[in-house]
Amino acid sequence: SQTIHQWPATLVQPVGSPLSLECTVEGTSNPNLYWYRQAAGRGLQLLFYSVGIGQISSEVPQNLSASRPQDRQFILSSKKLLLSDSGFYLCAWSWDRGPGGAQPQHFGDGTRLSIL
Amino acid sequence: GENVEQHPSTLSVQEGDSAVIKCTYSDSASNYFPWYKQELGKGPQLIIDIRSNVGEKKDQRIAVTLNKTAKHFSLHITETQPEDSAVYFCAASLTDSWGKLQFGAGTQVVVTP
Repeated sequence: SQTIHQWPATLVQPVGSPLSLECTVEGTSNPNLYWYRQAAGRGLQLLFYSVGIGQISSEVPQNLSASRPQDRQFILSSKKLLLSDSGFYLCAWSWDRGPGGAQPQHFGDGTRLSIL
Repeated sequence: GENVEQHPSTLSVQEGDSAVIKCTYSDSASNYFPWYKQELGKGPQLIIDIRSNVGEKKDQRIAVTLNKTAKHFSLHITETQPEDSAVYFCAASLTDSWGKLQFGAGTQVVVTP
C-alpha cells in the first residue's frame, strides 16, 4: 500500500529565515505530487504540482518554491519567510491522470508553520 | 476556470440524524468529484468519490449523488455519530491534462450526542 510522510509536523520560524519542508511517498512510482496551503478558515489552495522529476508547475505567485529531486520526494522551500507564509501545509499524491480522468489525491498529515 | 461552491459552511446535527452537504461546480466538463473528511490537526482523508458516468454511489452510511444537468453533487451521511464530527470538503476535477482538483471551502459538521 502507499503511504505519504511529511515533516516536520510543526515548525516555528522567525521572519526572514529559510524554510524547507519535505514530503515523501512510499509504495508507488512516478506519482503526481502536490503542495497545498490551508489558512485558518479551512480552504485548500494549490501552490505547486509536479508530474515528474524536476518538473514543477506553480499555481500562484508567492514567496515559496518547490523542487522534486527524486521520483517520490517533494520539497517546499523559501529563502526568506514572511509573516503571511504562516499556515498549514499539506502534501498530496495521486496516480497520473488516466483515460477515466483525474485520480484521487491522498494527503499527508501536514506541517503547521508559524512565523514569528 | 472551475469554481466550486459548498454549503452550508457549518452544520450541527443530533446524533442519529442525517447530514447533507451540497456543492455546485461551474465547468460542465468536470468528470470526477471526491469528498474528503478532515479531522483536527490531520490531513484530509478521501471518504467517497463519484465519476460523471454515475448518478449515485453509496458506502455504508455515506452516499454521494451527482446531477450533471444542474452541475451539483451532494454528500449524505445517515445515522450520524459523534466521530462524524469534522470538516468535509468537496472537490471537482479541472479539465486540464494533469488531473488537478478545485476544492470547496469546507463544511464544519458537529454531531451532538
